[in-house]
Formats: sequence, structure tokens, C-alpha cells
Amino acid sequence: AQSVAQPEDQVNVAEGNPLTVKCTYSVSGNPYLFWYVQYPNRGLQFLLKYITGDNLVKGSYGFEAEFNKSQTSFHLKKPSALVSDSALYFCAVRDIKAAGNKLTFGGGTRVLVKP
Amino acid sequence: SAVISQKPSRDICQRGTSLTIQCQVDSQVTMMFWYRQQPGQSLTLIATANQGSEATYESGFVIDKFPISRPNLTFSTLTVSNMSPEDSSIYLCSVGGGTSGSYEQYFGPGTRLTVT
Repeated sequence: AQSVAQPEDQVNVAEGNPLTVKCTYSVSGNPYLFWYVQYPNRGLQFLLKYITGDNLVKGSYGFEAEFNKSQTSFHLKKPSALVSDSALYFCAVRDIKAAGNKLTFGGGTRVLVKP
Repeated sequence: SAVISQKPSRDICQRGTSLTIQCQVDSQVTMMFWYRQQPGQSLTLIATANQGSEATYESGFVIDKFPISRPNLTFSTLTVSNMSPEDSSIYLCSVGGGTSGSYEQYFGPGTRLTVT
């Protein structure tokens, strides 16, 4: 079975400050890991992924994430948050051993960036 | 990435009725997925729809309640049958996740369903 945990329901940060959204996962094999963002009344947008290779992956809108196998984590980061980054963020995992390309999503973290 | 559209974008329906949601992709894809996002909640996979075969449903979802069609490689429908207020959710379709070297899934804009 595969699962994802996002321990924070909401993260508040001042504009210009670093933003971190936490994610931990559990899979039986090796993971494919993803971050998505959902703006109000819109669908999910893909931000970035870890498949293999460098543990630090860079994605859209200045976001990056670090894969840490020993801590089974894949935290999303942005060095300097913008008000426009306020949205709902989802971490997702896929076990490479699992059939059917099934994604399992975390519960989501709401990010509020204050001016 | 694929461009995905859904119809309708939103609807308000009476309990006991059914609604069919359409998902159209601008390119041919092998796998399509249907998710439900209940208010304030995360996404839950309903089923995987492959062209030419029966949809594969996740635990807690049954074909009688959520029949799915996949007539070709660019189109799918999800029907929410005999609706109750508990079916009020956003329903999203997605594609991708391993085909043609792409591991991520791309999502449609969603259909916001309210059942009264």
C-alpha cells in the first residue's frame, strides 16, 4: 500500500520569506513523487516530480523539492514566497511496483502568503 | 502536456437524479482516471478507464453508482447515479502517469456538483 501525509493543514508565511510545505510518504518499493497546486475554482496544476537522479528537483514558478529517502520525505520549498502562491498544495506518490499508475494524494496544505 | 476539458463545469442537481460528466483530451491517451474531491478534502481515485476494457474501480466505488464509458482514446464519461447530497463534490478527470515517458498526471478543470 502507498500513502502520503501532509502534517500541516495550513502554512502562513509573509511575502518574501521562505516557504516550506511538508510531505512524507510510505511505499513498499521505490517512489515516484509529485507536487500539485490548486488555485480557487481551478483544477490541479502539476508543479514538479521526483523520479530518479538528483534529490533536489526544480519545478514551475520557482518551486523546488528535496527527496530524502532516509526520512521518506519530499518537502516543497520556495526561497521567497509571493502573495500569488496562496493556494492549496497536494503531495502525491506512486509506488513504482504498483500496477495501474495509481496516484495517492496527501490531505493537502493550504498556503497563505500575507503581504 | 495534454489539454483536458470537462463538461459541465458545474451543476446543481436534485437527489435521485443522475449526471453524466464528459472528459475530452486533445491527444490520444491510454489511461484516463476519474477522481472525486469532496469539500475541503483531498483527491480520491474513483476508477481507471482504459479504452476497450472495463473500468477498474477503487475500493468503495462501484460501477452501478459510477458507470464509466471510454469509447475512444480521447474521451470518457463518468455518470453519478441516483445522487444524494453526499455526492456533492468536484469530479476531475486526468491523463498520463507513465505513458510516452511522462510520469505525471494532468488534470481537467473539474466539474463542481451540488446535490440538493
